[in-house]
Amino acid sequence: QITLKESGPTLVKPTQTLTLTCTFSGFSLTTSGVGVGWIRQPPGKALEWLALIYWDDDKRYSPSLRSRLTITKDTSKNQVVLTLTNVDPLDTATYSCAHTYNTLTAFDYWGQGALVTVSS
Amino acid sequence: DIQMTQSPSSLSASVGDRVTITCRASQSISSFLNWYQQKPGKAPKLLIYAVSNLQNGVPSRFSGSGSGPDFTLTISSLQPEDFATYYCHQTYSTPLTFGGGTKVEIK
Repeated sequence: QITLKESGPTLVKPTQTLTLTCTFSGFSLTTSGVGVGWIRQPPGKALEWLALIYWDDDKRYSPSLRSRLTITKDTSKNQVVLTLTNVDPLDTATYSCAHTYNTLTAFDYWGQGALVTVSS
Repeated sequence: DIQMTQSPSSLSASVGDRVTITCRASQSISSFLNWYQQKPGKAPKLLIYAVSNLQNGVPSRFSGSGSGPDFTLTISSLQPEDFATYYCHQTYSTPLTFGGGTKVEIK
């Protein structure tokens, strides 16, 4: 079955770079149409889409965060990595990765999420 | 960006009630509309994809309908396990966007 799990620091200082890793199983990011996205949710607030990478290395980003985000994949390790530079307390959120089975389709499997706090 | 406006933002209902949640898109999204359920401390769970398709394993009391710009999630008979927050989500174009959420609480 498909599983995803996020890992990374729980506490980051302002201006630092946040690096999160999504390790998945049950599918391959070399399969046509498959993608992995990142979504975040500040405490008590709504979901916000951040980035998406597809099997063919097509990458999409939220325009509001585009200058600070990078998404990459390592198909040999079954991992997708998200980096967010110059973090701010407003970036405090639960960060989740999720699987999508085709271009512009729903996220059908999600990781449990990882809470990241930005504070000095 | 396509804005997704959900209403109401919260509602109180009793077990057995019929519940309807609405999502309005700021522009045409064809049928690229999905619904998720989220319980506290848990990841969102896909309920409905492409407006009206029930995800595997989701009870048939959940249904989706609509065409641009208004879409609806209906729970035909609310069960205790359905008290949660529900989000709509458009995948018509990037940036992908979510609605603000509807919290369904016990009356």
